[in-house]
Amino acid sequence: KAGVTQTPRYLIKTRGQQVTLSCSPISGHRSVSWYQQTPGQGLQFLFEYFSETQRNKGNFPGRFSGRQFSNSRSEMNVSTLELGDSALYLCASSRGDRGNTDTQYFGPGTRLTVL
Amino acid sequence: AQSVTQPDIHITVSEGASLELRCNYSYGATPYLFWYVQSPGQGLQLLLKYFSGDTLVQGIKGFEAEFKRSQSSFNLRKPSVHWSDAAEYFCAGRQTSYDKVIFGPGTSLSVIP
Repeated sequence: KAGVTQTPRYLIKTRGQQVTLSCSPISGHRSVSWYQQTPGQGLQFLFEYFSETQRNKGNFPGRFSGRQFSNSRSEMNVSTLELGDSALYLCASSRGDRGNTDTQYFGPGTRLTVL
Repeated sequence: AQSVTQPDIHITVSEGASLELRCNYSYGATPYLFWYVQSPGQGLQLLLKYFSGDTLVQGIKGFEAEFKRSQSSFNLRKPSVHWSDAAEYFCAGRQTSYDKVIFGPGTSLSVIP
């Protein structure tokens, strides 16, 4: 079974631009969660999508948004990029049925550098 | 507030030595707990998870973890460390299956030959 895939793996943008990252979950998984990882803040939860609906949200400004498609693939968008948005963005997929054993599996991440 | 803490920021062990990485949680009831490993520039790989039942959990790569309710701990252990185990280790937890997963700050493991 293929794992979680994220594209692109690396991105360089300049301040003020916007960026879109993509995540394809494991086949059969309907939940996709996004995390931002930085050396200073560690792993921070951005949001979770399930069946094309945002189900959970972290404490990030409105510049960070996402969506999920009917095939469970998800995209996240960051508008008006700031230097502090430079980070590794990780996507995780799970069944999403909220059963006790539901577990997240992570993709390799997208490394975003904002200049 | 719910939290997961990892008291050790960095640990260095010799190859072949035993390893224990500490994790403490702050939850009202028995949480769901996880250990992940991250190699440089990579995503997180699940090592093991605890939901209920036997408090000693076996994972991949020879790792195990023990859930101790009395100490609010979920420490990760390995009897003999290999150089390839050098990585960042994250403990994570959630209160219920409806909650978001909270990650600890991570422990960086170095292995010396």
